[in-house]
Amino acid sequence: QKEVEQNSGPLSVPEGAIASLNCTYSDRGSQSFFWYRQYSGKSPELIMFIYSNGDKEDGRFTAQLNKASQYVSLLIRDSQPSDSATYLCAVNNGFQKLVFGTGTRLLVSP
Amino acid sequence: DGGITQSPKYLFRKEGQNVTLSCEQNLNHDAMYWYRQDPGQGLRLIYYSQIVNDFQKGDIAEGYSVSREKKESFPLTVTSAQKNPTAFYLCASSIRLGQGTGELFFGEGSRLTVL
Repeated sequence: QKEVEQNSGPLSVPEGAIASLNCTYSDRGSQSFFWYRQYSGKSPELIMFIYSNGDKEDGRFTAQLNKASQYVSLLIRDSQPSDSATYLCAVNNGFQKLVFGTGTRLLVSP
Repeated sequence: DGGITQSPKYLFRKEGQNVTLSCEQNLNHDAMYWYRQDPGQGLRLIYYSQIVNDFQKGDIAEGYSVSREKKESFPLTVTSAQKNPTAFYLCASSIRLGQGTGELFFGEGSRLTVL
């Protein structure tokens, strides 16, 4: 079992819709969770981080964490074509490194 | 401006040659990391360092070497022993674990192609 799992996609949504990206992790000791956005050929950039159960909102983005079920999700409201990118889920398991999923490719069509 | 600088952005290498990728940060971060990314794949950890003169192997260290002689610098050498070195290499840094959120800050990456 991979430590951090994501559906590779692509996830296709129309402009203005809600995009829902999911991630599961295997280590129950994981402490903090990150969503990075990566445009093609570029380096990842941090979208949000969360470490408490529940929801955390920042503008059009909402991160959701459920430690009992070991999943974390990212919702993007009012999706825009500029949101088209690969979204990487990363988990800090308490050791000195982040473990990344393989990413979900999101395509937002005008 | 604070950040991470990687060089070169693009590098071509003949088989059998060693190459060194540079990574410099001025964020005063203790921890630095090297990741490798292959097309359609996530990031895989090569090496990381939490403090000067100390570094640890990541998940795919074979064929790579690093040094950490200065806090600001963490160069990666891709040796001829690395069987499939063509990839996108990302350097990152973070505040030492236990301080801050563990967020990684990335450089712009170096794309290595073996001819």
